[in-house]
Order: sequence, then structure tokens, then C-alpha cells
Amino acid sequence: SSELTQDPAVSVALGQTVRITCQGDSLRNYYASWYQQKSGQAPVLVIYGKDNRPSGIPDRFSGSSSGDTASLTITGAQAEDEADYYCDSRDTSANSVVFGGGTKVTVL
Amino acid sequence: QLQLQESGPGLVKPSETLSLTCTASGGSISRSSYSWGWIRQPPGKGLEWIGSINYSGSTFYNPSLKSRVTVSVDTSKNQFSLKLSSVTAADTAVYYCARHDTSGYLNWYFDLWGRGTLVTVSS
Repeated sequence: SSELTQDPAVSVALGQTVRITCQGDSLRNYYASWYQQKSGQAPVLVIYGKDNRPSGIPDRFSGSSSGDTASLTITGAQAEDEADYYCDSRDTSANSVVFGGGTKVTVL
Repeated sequence: QLQLQESGPGLVKPSETLSLTCTASGGSISRSSYSWGWIRQPPGKGLEWIGSINYSGSTFYNPSLKSRVTVSVDTSKNQFSLKLSSVTAADTAVYYCARHDTSGYLNWYFDLWGRGTLVTVSS
């Protein structure tokens, strides 16, 4: 099975823009999805497909993809965006799912 | 609005079978476009997909866990279940159930999660 690689941690100043990346071979064939997990809570889907946000997710969250890398961008980060962010995708072995290791976002 | 809730023993002995149930409320799990899945998270670590089951009962599992995992669904009870056999301390984790949208070929995603339940493997 393939792997998805994420940077362990990133920080962003309040109101600034941060990009979180997810790299893996499966992303050449499938879109990534992105999840936000705040401390002690279950993950929440924030981006899926090409660049789709579920109802209730602020439009400061956006997604993009190029080659083997998918990105989640938070434009104008807020204090409440401080969380762990995970990507996932279908695996290259088709009927399987792989998660990235997660990126901890700190809002300064 | 559909909600999911995990239930089951919080403590399992090594070598035994972990059994969890996810009960849906506020809606039916019989809708054909969705699958239903299990994901776990060891303390302080990342997410790991365990397996999912679709509307027709077809299952797909994480290759690294496949030999020990069974996911099943009982639509009459609006529930789906996880069994993980021969557990060790490495299986200690928070276990989440989730709705798994597998309707699109290019993108699968978990759009609704339960709150999770901690299962500890210890004698």
C-alpha cells in the first residue's frame, strides 16, 4: 500500500495564510480529503474532491492538487483553526484508504 | 440529522477479540450511496483506517489488518459492527465509526464521525 506524507507541524500568524501539504503516489490518481481534529474531539471533514467544502465549513478553507501533492490552504487563519489536520485518499490498490500522518497547525 | 455512536467494552484482554458497534440515530444507514467505516487513533498518534462495508455488504479492509478484521452491518437495527481478533497492546486506541462516501471514483471521504470510544488492551 502507498503512503501519504505530511509535515508534522506548521505555525501561522493570526490572520495570515498557511498551506498544508500532503504528498503521495495515490494523489496522482485520486483526490485527497482533509480533516480537522481539535484536541479531544473527533475529526471533521473540511475539504473533499477537487475543492469542495461541507456545509458549515468556512470559505477560508480551500483545497488544491498538482501531481502527487495535495494542499489545504487556510486564508486568514483564526485562533479556532488551531488543530491537527489529516489528509486521506483512496490507495493505489483501489479498494483501500490511506491517511497522512497529520500536521499540527499552531496559530500565533 | 444522522448521528453515530460507538459502543462496546473499554477494556479487552490480550489475544481476545475486540467488538464494537456503531448505532445510527436520526436517519437510516440503508441509503445505497454510502458505505460505513471504522478508523482508529492510538493515543498521541495519527488516524488509521481499519475497514468499511458498503450498502450491498461488500467489505474492504486495511491490508495490514485484513487477517484480523470483520466489519458487518445490521440494517434492521440501524447498526454496523467491528470485530478485531487476537488483539495486543498495539491495538489500544480510540475507535471511531464514520459514514464513508464511496460513491465517487476519484474521491472517497468520511463525512460524518462518531465521537469515538477508547479501547484499552490490557490484562
